[in-house]
Amino acid sequence: EVQLVESGGDLVQPGGSLRLSCAASGFTFSGYYMSWVRQAPGKGLEWVANIKSDGSEKDYVDSVKGRFTFSRDNAKNLMYLQMNSLRVEDTAVYYCARNRGPGTGWFDPWGQGTLVAVSS
Amino acid sequence: EIVLTQSPGTLSLSPGERATLSCRASQSVRSSYLGWYQQKPGQAPRLLIYGASSRATGISDRFSGSGSGTDFTLTISRLEPEDFAVYYCQQYAVSPGTFGQGTKVEIK
Repeated sequence: EVQLVESGGDLVQPGGSLRLSCAASGFTFSGYYMSWVRQAPGKGLEWVANIKSDGSEKDYVDSVKGRFTFSRDNAKNLMYLQMNSLRVEDTAVYYCARNRGPGTGWFDPWGQGTLVAVSS
Repeated sequence: EIVLTQSPGTLSLSPGERATLSCRASQSVRSSYLGWYQQKPGQAPRLLIYGASSRATGISDRFSGSGSGTDFTLTISRLEPEDFAVYYCQQYAVSPGTFGQGTKVEIK
């Protein structure tokens, strides 16, 4: 069964840092682009970042560029989102997702999500 | 950036009725690179449709997608109790991939 499990969400103060992890299983992790997508409380979905299958290329939404870093460890089937200089507006459930298809890809499947709350 | 606008915001229907959800793009979505997702409260989104009209694995044939260019539609032929949820469209033709704001299908 293809599965993604996120961890690392927490309550953090503005300006703080947090690292999210996503463990993949049930598929050849090293063969896929992967993404992070977030959802602020009561709001819609926002793509945050993606990473090429070998980790050599990454892309970010403008609002997190220079603050978030996406990385992966294909030997361990893990991916990470290092989040620095966190802002109140970064508060959201963060989902990891597998990219499929052409272009920037659709997302299937998704993990269950991990909550990041940024507040003083 | 391609902006996706979904309508209506909320659709109030009874089980057994037909649901028609619209997704309009601010510019043409090349090659119909558009997907649809279902999200229930407290759950992650689930892929329903990709390529505007291809059903994802395990998705009931009650769900169908259509459209091209700037206008896309998700149709649920006969609503089952488990279909009441929020639905999002997503374009993946241009980076950043963007989502619509969602349509809530609620029980009337």
